[in-house]
Amino acid sequence: DVKVTQSSRYLVKRTGEKVFLECVQDMDHENMFWYRQDPGLGLRLIYFSYDVKMKEKGDIPEGYSVSREKKERFSLILESASTNQTSMYLCASSPPMGLRDTQYFGPGTRLTVL
Amino acid sequence: GENVEQHPSTLSVQEGDSAVIKCTYSDSASNYFPWYKQELGKRPQLIIDIRSNVGEKKDQRIAVTLNKTAKHFSLHITETQPEDSAVYFCAASTARRRALTFGSGTRLQVQP
Repeated sequence: DVKVTQSSRYLVKRTGEKVFLECVQDMDHENMFWYRQDPGLGLRLIYFSYDVKMKEKGDIPEGYSVSREKKERFSLILESASTNQTSMYLCASSPPMGLRDTQYFGPGTRLTVL
Repeated sequence: GENVEQHPSTLSVQEGDSAVIKCTYSDSASNYFPWYKQELGKRPQLIIDIRSNVGEKKDQRIAVTLNKTAKHFSLHITETQPEDSAVYFCAASTARRRALTFGSGTRLQVQP
């Protein structure tokens, strides 16, 4: 069974703080993704990665960066948190292209920026 | 880039009735169309998916249809049950960009 875990379920930070959200998957998946989920907007893609040390911008990358130093771990970084980054953050992973493209999601981190 | 529109945003049905959720996509290169169910406080879970070389797929009470010409796909749930109540998301991706573009979601409520 695929397991995707995220470092925190709930997080409260102050404006201007640097925030790290960690995601770990145990299925040796090449592909990993970060989304944010807001009511009425669905899930929007922030960044994704097809391999270690590679990253690609998603649809809303502004204000975020990512790091993938190991295959199983994909980190989302808020360089200077702002109140408009208050949201639910979901990490996902999927196997290599050509196999099933199913994305498996983590439980989410609800981030509040005060 | 890809744009996925989903309708309706909310849907209320009586137990035993059918429910239909519709999505349209903009990128004709999209070739993979999954549907996710998200119960309150839980992570999205894949319930069914379809590829562009197939027009219809069924799994028990759930079916998905795809019209490539019109660039739309639909989720059909028959004999709805209260446990079907959740938010449903459609999504699309291309072979080139494996990341999913999601619709805005449909909140389905099944009244007992």
